Amino acid sequence: QVQLVASGGGVGQPGRSLRLSCAASGFTFRNYPMHWVRQAPGKGLEWVAVLSNDGDNKNYADSVKGRFTISRDNSKNTLYLQLNSLRAEDTAIYYCARSVTIFGVIDYWGQGTLVTVSS
Amino acid sequence: IVMTQSPVTLSVSLGERATLSCRASQSISSKLAWYQQKPGQAPRLLIFGASTRATGIPDRFSGSGSGTEFTLTISSLQSEDFAVYYCQQYNNWPPYTFGQGTKLEIK
Repeated sequence: QVQLVASGGGVGQPGRSLRLSCAASGFTFRNYPMHWVRQAPGKGLEWVAVLSNDGDNKNYADSVKGRFTISRDNSKNTLYLQLNSLRAEDTAIYYCARSVTIFGVIDYWGQGTLVTVSS
Repeated sequence: IVMTQSPVTLSVSLGERATLSCRASQSISSKLAWYQQKPGQAPRLLIFGASTRATGIPDRFSGSGSGTEFTLTISSLQSEDFAVYYCQQYNNWPPYTFGQGTKLEIK
């Protein structure tokens, strides 16, 4: 079955960086666009970024544009999110997720990894 | 596009019907999904294309609507249905946008 396992979360200081990973299995990873979606503690869902299956097309939410970078390694079935210039408002659970087309419906979500930005 | 869900909290008894609403600030055709999220878990896709159930979703879940007004109906509530429900549009992007959620609780 489809599995998406996110890792790399933890405590990061304001202005510093973190890198999240998402290991995919149970499907042909290279065929699917992938997303990151986050959820601040006790809050709703906020879409963060999407990357096409071949890695050529990417889009970001305005709130992270210029600070976060989404990437993938299809040979390792892994999605990444590089978080730079961290802010307190980036504190959230970060979920990786897939869609069938680049801006189609998100059909599977991973379990998430918690990022806490604090000095 | 702003997605607005109502009510924020809905209290319903086991076996009763629940009706959740979602409104888009402009037309999104039928490009609407519903997700269920239980505490400590990732969201799960219930409905896409406004009315198509995802794989494995029981037929007590149904979706309707198009344009700007959408509804998720759960026909006979089971204990496992109590959760937070989010709508999400994927017609105008980026970005995807989600509603703020409706918490369905036991009455």
